[in-house]
Amino acid sequence: DSGVTQTPKHLITATGQRVTLRCSPRSGDLSVYWYQQSLDQGLQFLIQYYNGEERAKGNILERFSAQQFPDLHSELNLSSLELGDSALYFCASSQTPGSPLHFGNGTRLTVT
Amino acid sequence: EDKVVQSPLSLVVHEGDTVTLNCSYEVTNFRSLLWYKQEKKAPTFLFMLTSSGIEKKSGRLSSILDKKELFSILNITATQTGDSAVYLCAVGGSSNTGKLIFGQGTTLQVKP
Repeated sequence: DSGVTQTPKHLITATGQRVTLRCSPRSGDLSVYWYQQSLDQGLQFLIQYYNGEERAKGNILERFSAQQFPDLHSELNLSSLELGDSALYFCASSQTPGSPLHFGNGTRLTVT
Repeated sequence: EDKVVQSPLSLVVHEGDTVTLNCSYEVTNFRSLLWYKQEKKAPTFLFMLTSSGIEKKSGRLSSILDKKELFSILNITATQTGDSAVYLCAVGGSSNTGKLIFGQGTTLQVKP
């Protein structure tokens, strides 16, 4: 168990809908990262927060947004969902930028 | 653009065999290279390498980095069926964001 908690484990929703994925980092970790993993793309970096502030952005779609709250948990919001957004979404945390990332078990999103 | 390439993409061996997984990279301002093992859920951290030529070892697994030639290898000796997994190579570079760029992974299947 990495200590990173993601909810929900599974999510099934329809095209056009909006969902929120939640992540609680390991105790003491200030950085939170979001990754998308699909069969043909591997693990793709979406966005990183450090102590409440956005630190780095990957190829995150404009329909997606995230934030990190004062208690350091993070949420990833996905809106106007399309079939192609179906994937496994991982959250990871690290103590400091540059230290190893520790991953949660992911949220499997299925868009029908 | 930062890039991480792993080879082979998949590998089937028998218990007791030794395997070598490869990872080459192109990244701006290289900081570190990490190996992860992914079974059904979260990638789990194996090694982090920052210095060239220094082998990291954990049990039957070992890894080494060559910063001049921009590659790393992960060796697994005396493979067991429990080693069956996807092995991911990731590279951290540029500034202090801590984000990692992942390769496509090598799927290893160890047959009894």
